[in-house]
Amino acid sequence: NAGVTQTPKFQVLKTGQSMTLQCAQDMNHNSMYWYRQDPGMGLRLIYYSASEGTTDKGEVPNGYNVSRLNKREFSLRLESAAPSQTSVYFCASSEAPRGNSPLHFGNGTRLTVT
Amino acid sequence: GENVEQHPSTLSVQEGDSAVIKCTYSDSASNYFPWYKQELGKRPQLIIDIRSNVGEKKDQRIAVTLNKTAKHFSLHITETQPEDSAVYFCAVYGNNRLAFGKGNQVVVIP
Repeated sequence: NAGVTQTPKFQVLKTGQSMTLQCAQDMNHNSMYWYRQDPGMGLRLIYYSASEGTTDKGEVPNGYNVSRLNKREFSLRLESAAPSQTSVYFCASSEAPRGNSPLHFGNGTRLTVT
Repeated sequence: GENVEQHPSTLSVQEGDSAVIKCTYSDSASNYFPWYKQELGKRPQLIIDIRSNVGEKKDQRIAVTLNKTAKHFSLHITETQPEDSAVYFCAVYGNNRLAFGKGNQVVVIP
């Protein structure tokens, strides 16, 4: 039982490049999330998905797109990376909707945009 | 939206002493209150949570107390150990969303 798996663990991009962060969970959870974590800012929600094919914007969605491919997978795409998107990105899943039950986090992706 | 604040931002304690972190919130309708621990370079992990119909919950050396009237809840760690050194995030669920505090750094001094 792997829980929530994120790839890659580290990534360096140049401004304007694109990339997709992958996330998969094996806990049969309907709800999945993408957060970013910056020093002193806590965890901020980028996008949320309640089920396959549905996504909702969170607090900081600008510059990102997401895709809920199936129940297991939820990907985050940066179309044109900017230095302000340098951050640590966490994917999470939960049994109940919108964080009304424990969140299970992946190990994170450390992204640097130069 | 929900305003979640954690105090103090940094807490240093001697090994073996107790640590208490307080989290305040603004929405009286909030009903789920988890605490997450994040060690350096690691992912956040749930350590304890409480719902609004309960005033206190314990799990070994960790406890959470909830004061709905005053709109705050606290994390209590007894007999602190070096492995308790981490950043602790509180979160509040209400109005169909989960809001995180900015975190408390706890340092346990051997």
